[in-house]
Amino acid sequence: SQQGEEDPQALSIQEGENATMNCSYKTSINNLQWYRQNSGRGLVHLILIRSNEREKHSGRLRVTLDTSKKSSSLLITASRAADTASYFCATDALDSGGSNYKLTFGKGTLLTVNP
Amino acid sequence: GAGVSQSPSNKVTEKGKDVELRCDPISGHTALYWYRQSLGQGLEFLIYFQGNSAPDKSGLPSDRFSAERTGGSVSTLTIQRTQQEDSAVYLCASSLQGASYNEQFFGPGTRLTVL
Repeated sequence: SQQGEEDPQALSIQEGENATMNCSYKTSINNLQWYRQNSGRGLVHLILIRSNEREKHSGRLRVTLDTSKKSSSLLITASRAADTASYFCATDALDSGGSNYKLTFGKGTLLTVNP
Repeated sequence: GAGVSQSPSNKVTEKGKDVELRCDPISGHTALYWYRQSLGQGLEFLIYFQGNSAPDKSGLPSDRFSAERTGGSVSTLTIQRTQQEDSAVYLCASSLQGASYNEQFFGPGTRLTVL
């Protein structure tokens, strides 16, 4: 089953507006990461937030983490057409061997920013 | 090259044939990951390598799927007797180590179509 689930599945906004995407997960984590994917190809890492952090900023991105609610949000401010992409959250989990961590990705939010 | 490379970028094959997908990670990255992404879906974890060993093969969907990594570098994912449901984009990623705080760097993917 998916560890991370993004919400909404799709979001359409006008250029200049803010976009907020949410991620919920089930088990405790050490870190949560957000990735962006353009055109169904490779993903690009955006930001990592540790379990002891509540908020993190990177340029126009703001990520929050609420470990009590097992949820995270990604806010993109002043959106641009170039922000159109799918956004995925990824949470860490011990692998089946129990000694290393792997990332589990959600199904993503498809963001469309209309010019 | 500076990034993760994958080959071929596209592969069309007939049902029942074997295919081999290649991933060249970033030099020095010890951890390597294979994922599968079906149309409009999130990433499905397949297998992960730490060096040449695979601590977690739990995501391989069937015994038709296998992967190896030699010299701690290049990895190949082999699908035997391909089925139509194997059609997907196969993504490879590498990271500095197999730690949860390391970001993963993704290749552009191989789009596999099984006719």
